[in-house]
Amino acid sequence: TQLLEQSPQFLSIQEGENLTVYCNSSSVFSSLQWYRQEPGEGPVLLVTVVTGGEVKKLKRLTFQFGDARKDSSLHITAAQPGDTGLYLCAALTTDSWGKLQFGAGTQVVVTP
Amino acid sequence: GAGVSQSPRYKVAKRGQDVALRCDPISGHVSLFWYQQALGQGPEFLTYFQNEAQLDKSGLPSDRFFAERPEGSVSTLKIQRTQQEDSAVYLCASSLSSGGVFSGANVLTFGAGSRLTVL
Repeated sequence: TQLLEQSPQFLSIQEGENLTVYCNSSSVFSSLQWYRQEPGEGPVLLVTVVTGGEVKKLKRLTFQFGDARKDSSLHITAAQPGDTGLYLCAALTTDSWGKLQFGAGTQVVVTP
Repeated sequence: GAGVSQSPRYKVAKRGQDVALRCDPISGHVSLFWYQQALGQGPEFLTYFQNEAQLDKSGLPSDRFFAERPEGSVSTLKIQRTQQEDSAVYLCASSLSSGGVFSGANVLTFGAGSRLTVL
């Protein structure tokens, strides 16, 4: 059972377009992470957010953690083919010290 | 090594066979995790080690799954009497410290995974 709901499941866009993917839950989290996974590889950490309302920017990627620490979004500006991958959100629940709960992921395809 | 190394990268097993998957974490990393990723899904937690101690094995799906890390470094995930539903990618991850892993500068580093196909 996925504690984190990610939407959309699949997103195909043209190079230069913007996109937003969402990660939602009914639970409160002490922190939330976003990963990108490419075929045949393990997930690679992009960012960790820990404070409600927090916004972090990583070049063309903007991550936001909801005020209530139950949801998050990832916005990509002017997407490039290199942004193609499976975007996963993962959360550390307040009563867990090491166990990450992952969403099912959003598959993003950026075509030239 | 520079990263988390997993072997074999691909394993095909006949139903009923036993398999062993190996994980070489980053040298000096205290924490080690095993995750199972089915096709089209996110990784699901299996088990956690702090050095040689297995502190959480709540995610292991059945008693056919067994993991060990006897010297606090290399870990092995063993699956006995494999079933078709065991087909998945098995990911290993390690981090430098225990507790507070997801605050500060500590990062969970994943290996590329072992893809198991059970026929």
